Amino acid sequence: DAGVIQSPRHEVTEMGQEVTLRCKPISGHDYLFWYRQTMMRGLELLIYFNNNVPIDDSGMPEDRFSAKMPNASFSTLKIQPSEPRDSAVYFCASSLRTTGITEAFFGQGTRLTVV
Amino acid sequence: GESVGLHLPTLSVQEGDNSIINCAYSNSASDYFIWYKQESGKGPQFIIDIRSNMDKRQGQRVTVLLNKTVKHLSLQIAATQPGDSAVYFCAGFLTGGFKTIFGAGTRLFVKA
Repeated sequence: DAGVIQSPRHEVTEMGQEVTLRCKPISGHDYLFWYRQTMMRGLELLIYFNNNVPIDDSGMPEDRFSAKMPNASFSTLKIQPSEPRDSAVYFCASSLRTTGITEAFFGQGTRLTVV
Repeated sequence: GESVGLHLPTLSVQEGDNSIINCAYSNSASDYFIWYKQESGKGPQFIIDIRSNMDKRQGQRVTVLLNKTVKHLSLQIAATQPGDSAVYFCAGFLTGGFKTIFGAGTRLFVKA
């Protein structure tokens, strides 16, 4: 398996533009997580899905952020409109949780710069 | 609120020495912890985990110690190698949920 695949790896956009980040989880995994990483706040959980259903979106900072998971192999995180303070590395992670809790497998991340 | 934080932001060790990275947590409801390693330009990668009913767990060259009394856990790396240079995060899971609280991270430098 190629692991969790995120695209693009880097995104530079102007303030006010819409940004869409994409994630392909590991096949068979039933949980998908979106994280944001900044120097100031570290790794923050934004939202997670179980079997394509959003379970907890309490970490989503504002209504400008939205996430979808139309099927088991694809998820998007959208920011509209984007602002400079959204600049961060966004990680997608997936896990398989049959019994107990297991670790999440992270993608390489998308480095977003909003100018 | 809940928080999982680190005592030291950076740690520098000589190659071959043992490393100890510390982490404190504030929520006593956390019942499961994971240590992650993040290399430059990559996502965090699982190292080792421990449940709250344990106080020690060993892996290959790594040991995690959990002290629930003082809400502290540590990651010990034996015979530290240059490839161990990275940022290390502790992460805690709150009871009954999958919401992970990450610490700020400690950057480990290994001097050759």
